[in-house]
Amino acid sequence: EAGVAQSPRYKIIEKRQSVAFWCNPISGHATLYWYQQILGQGPKLLIQFQNNGVVDDSQLPKDRFSAERLKGVDSTLKIQPAKLEDSAVYLCASSGNRGGNTIYFGEGSWLTVV
Amino acid sequence: AQRVTQPEKLLSVFKGAPVELKCNYSYSGSPELFWYVQYSRQRLQLLLRHISRESIKGFTADLNKGETSFHLKKPFAQEEDSAMYYCALLSGGSYIPTFGRGTSLIVHP
Repeated sequence: EAGVAQSPRYKIIEKRQSVAFWCNPISGHATLYWYQQILGQGPKLLIQFQNNGVVDDSQLPKDRFSAERLKGVDSTLKIQPAKLEDSAVYLCASSGNRGGNTIYFGEGSWLTVV
Repeated sequence: AQRVTQPEKLLSVFKGAPVELKCNYSYSGSPELFWYVQYSRQRLQLLLRHISRESIKGFTADLNKGETSFHLKKPFAQEEDSAMYYCALLSGGSYIPTFGRGTSLIVHP
């Protein structure tokens, strides 16, 4: 079974530039999550999708972050404009049912903003 | 709001010693709790969940609702247990997952 795929793995951008991350969840998984993990901290949920609908985006900084999952499969997370404090690993994860199944994580996309 | 607290950032033990990684949570409803592990250069993965009541790689964790804790234990640590361990709580009707900040376990030979 293929795991959660993310790209790019690494990205370095200057502040005020934009960046986009892509995620392809495990086939058949209805729930998709984007987490931000800053060095030394635990993963912080940015947004949770159930199919193509948003379940929770209360911690997503909506003035600069946006995410979509238009067809209920893969998803993109965009940051525009980036700030220095956005430097983090962006983890995508998916699960089969809301809370019922294990959450499977991708390898993460490492963002450095300089 | 739900919260997961892992008080130890780092836990260092010798091989063969018992290990206990602490996790406390705050949540008004009925929680589902998990332990996730991240080995060096690998992705975050599930170690165990409280509803399964199973032992994985020698690790066990018991949900104590009175103390709102879900500590992870292993009687004899092995070098290959060295990793980052995250406690996670699934809460609410929408099953929104919340993670603790993680504890780095180092097992010395």
